[in-house]
Amino acid sequence: ETGVTQTPRHLVMGMTNKKSLKCEQHLGHNAMYWYKQSAKKPLELMFVYSLEERVENNSVPSRFSPECPNSSHLFLHLHTLQPEDSALYLCASSLRSWGLASNEQFFGPGTRLTVL
Amino acid sequence: AQTVTQSQPEMSVQEAETVTLSCTYDTSESDYYLFWYKQPPSRQMILVIRQEAYKQQNATENRFSVNFQKAAKSFSLKISDSQLGDAAMYFCAYRSDTGNQFYFGTGTSLTVIP
Repeated sequence: ETGVTQTPRHLVMGMTNKKSLKCEQHLGHNAMYWYKQSAKKPLELMFVYSLEERVENNSVPSRFSPECPNSSHLFLHLHTLQPEDSALYLCASSLRSWGLASNEQFFGPGTRLTVL
Repeated sequence: AQTVTQSQPEMSVQEAETVTLSCTYDTSESDYYLFWYKQPPSRQMILVIRQEAYKQQNATENRFSVNFQKAAKSFSLKISDSQLGDAAMYFCAYRSDTGNQFYFGTGTSLTVIP
């Protein structure tokens, strides 16, 4: 596979469940990102990883826990979510997280999350 | 924090015609980058065009071009000879020359009428 892939594509979970979203990039990039896309709201950057280190956390609630075991994989662990967390979660990657090389982000297709 | 505003939630254009999507932003920085991303109904977002703020010349990519007005903090996207495949959500985005933050607008939904 090429590009950025995300699994699952759709996820329905209860507020007490624990689930994980997975992102994988096959582009040789060193930076990866999690975004939240809600209807009629700007895309919200959640986390940025550069070379497996978290370099940005935009005041995201602790019920979202990212993990980057290597530069090709990024996870978002979810627990005790709220209904307002229902959204499309997008993963992206870029060559680096800074400078000109960060300018082109390649996005995955997203995971549509519904919290009941 | 920087803000990006797209004042047109929805736009439509006849096939083969030209349409312009507007975007304004607010920043006190002098060096930054601006982008237009396209998100088709399949949801995979792709980069359409980008502009470096230090460049005076407007960026062009085939049928896509921008009108970058730095003083006015305006960054509009012109799509010429519109095609059915251009139908999508279009997002304007801003990135500072420093830091990791991208700021996105709320998007414009473009419909192309056959």
